[in-house]
Amino acid sequence: QVQLQGSGPGLVKPSETLSLTCTVSGGSISDDSWSWIRQPPGKGLEWIGYLYYSGSINYNPSLKSRVTISLDTSKNQFSLKLSSVTAADTAVYYCARHVKRRVAVVDMIIDVFDIWGQGTMVTVSS
Amino acid sequence: DIQMTQSPSSLSASVGDRVTITCRASQSINNYLNWYQQKPGKAPELLIYAASSLQGGVPSRFSGSGSGTDFTLTIGSLQPEDFASYYCQQSYSTPWTFGQGTKVEI
Repeated sequence: QVQLQGSGPGLVKPSETLSLTCTVSGGSISDDSWSWIRQPPGKGLEWIGYLYYSGSINYNPSLKSRVTISLDTSKNQFSLKLSSVTAADTAVYYCARHVKRRVAVVDMIIDVFDIWGQGTMVTVSS
Repeated sequence: DIQMTQSPSSLSASVGDRVTITCRASQSINNYLNWYQQKPGKAPELLIYAASSLQGGVPSRFSGSGSGTDFTLTIGSLQPEDFASYYCQQSYSTPWTFGQGTKVEI
């Protein structure tokens, strides 16, 4: 059973780069696709971006200029880097497995986040 | 970006109540709609995908319906463990977006 464990600093200074890692256990990181999602305190969810095992990447345009998501297959990990952070980037950051689920009855394939890490709270403050 | 709007933002209910949460997309998303449940301090969990398909292990009291722009999540008989926040999410086009959430309280 695949499990995700996020890790990284809980405090980042303004203008610096936020760096988080998600370790995948119970499965190979090369078998699936991976996303980062964040949630500011008391607010809703924001998708940050995904990385397909094939190398294809897609970022939320609202963050695209500051985001990098990458894969380390040797460690079975994927990571998030967010540069030039401000207080608005304070949030719980979730890593998630992103899969394509087939729905035969309506002949469609839909992207879902089916497994999530526990979340890492990151505060941006000096 | 496709905007997802949920209503209500919060609701009070009792055990055994039938609860309905709605989600409206700013444009047609066909059936590309997922629902997640989030309990305090925990990560969201997938409940329903493709508007009406139940994720494995999710109790049958949860159901989803809708297509196009209007969707509904129904909890047939609210249980104590169902008090949580619920989010809809569109997978029609990137950037994938979530509704603002609905908090179900006692």
